[in-house]
Amino acid sequence: GEDVEQSLFLSVREGDSSVINCTYTDSSSTYLYWYKQEPGAGLQLLTYIFSNMDMKQDQRLTVLLNKKDKHLSLRIADTQTGDSAIYFCAEYGKGGGNKLTFGTGTQLKVEL
Amino acid sequence: GAVVSQHPSWVICKSGTSVKIECRSLDFQATTMFWYRQFPKQSLMLMATSNEGSKATYEQGVEKDKFLINHASLTLSTLTVTSAHPEDSSFYICSARVLSPSYGYTFGSGTRLTVV
Repeated sequence: GEDVEQSLFLSVREGDSSVINCTYTDSSSTYLYWYKQEPGAGLQLLTYIFSNMDMKQDQRLTVLLNKKDKHLSLRIADTQTGDSAIYFCAEYGKGGGNKLTFGTGTQLKVEL
Repeated sequence: GAVVSQHPSWVICKSGTSVKIECRSLDFQATTMFWYRQFPKQSLMLMATSNEGSKATYEQGVEKDKFLINHASLTLSTLTVTSAHPEDSSFYICSARVLSPSYGYTFGSGTRLTVV
């Protein structure tokens, strides 16, 4: 497809793990990112993965990349209420360019 | 490091007036900055790529004369919404790429524009 697709909404309980999925569009994209956006704010870079990697772990965050299926996921361990936000995946280098193409965004709600 | 400062954070203006939004890289030089528009509960749409010392590159469907971009220095890019109308109300965000793609793109805090 032409769009970077994400599920719209995910609700988890505090302390559980959250998994946010993303299907991107171009297998030649070189970097894939996860950004977090809180209400009324800009985007905060959470983590990134280079396209020749399968997995990257950074504290509570684990990124998995399936390049064959163009599937990216972000796992947040021990999810906290402060993790409630919208999460965007983004691909860099689509079509050989130098722009970021953003996913549709997943709203994560963490309940007590 | 790698902070992008965006001002104002919130502006209300009357229809027909122009609004300027500033985006500054505070601790690095940004030869290229990007301007995005975000509608409520939607993703970011790239409007234009701002290049220091040259004309901006606009995405298809973005009116160049309405959204004027100036990137006169390595640390400042401005977006001016000219003759604003209510349909221009939106959240505008700038970003700059830091050193290399592995550092990601750093984003400003955004500007909420409301045209009444």
